[in-house]
Amino acid sequence: EPEVTQTPSHQVTQMGQEVILRCVPISNHLYFYWYRQILGQKVEFLVSFYNNEISEKSEIFDDQFSVERPDGSNFTLKIRSTKLEDSAMYFCASSRGPGAFFGQGTRLTVV
Amino acid sequence: AQSVTQPDIHITVSEGASLELRCNYSYGATPYLFWYVQSPGQGLQLLLKYFSGDTLVQGIKGFEAEFKRSQSSFNLRKPSVHWSDAAEYFCAVGAAGTASKLTFGTGTRLQVTL
Repeated sequence: EPEVTQTPSHQVTQMGQEVILRCVPISNHLYFYWYRQILGQKVEFLVSFYNNEISEKSEIFDDQFSVERPDGSNFTLKIRSTKLEDSAMYFCASSRGPGAFFGQGTRLTVV
Repeated sequence: AQSVTQPDIHITVSEGASLELRCNYSYGATPYLFWYVQSPGQGLQLLLKYFSGDTLVQGIKGFEAEFKRSQSSFNLRKPSVHWSDAAEYFCAVGAAGTASKLTFGTGTRLQVTL
């Protein structure tokens, strides 16, 4: 069964460093998303991406964040200068229509 | 703005007992509704979804959910719970007709006693 894969599963980074979280969406999907889940809190939408551009983003998705689909298969989330409060589980998701399939997540810890 | 309320933070049921997890949504138009399950340390797995038509939808792992427009609810049910169903369950709402963002509830943690 096709699935969304994310790498790495765990990342620890120093505050102020840049991180790139990587995702390979399901191959025939057209819509791509990033969500995050701070420990003990609900899953929050960050950004959606369609036709090589951002289609929607939340207030969380400020200038420190960017997304890219560099090669037609990968979908990345970059955080330019990480803050302690960026520590969370980041989920990539993809879909062909309503409802999305989620990856296993990348746990980001900022120290 | 769309929102989802899951009033039960934590539920404990005995194995073999029936289960109902509550979900209420707020949305200005016809919503698309979803239930996801998250096992510890895992991602979110789609259990079932409602778009239109029959208000009782069947999902994977023996789960079903019923859409009640008059009550703005989409409760998840299972007739007989298995120990492996212990997990966190999230209800989510999205805009109808589009592949839009999902808004999640805060989740209900299900514990199953043997």
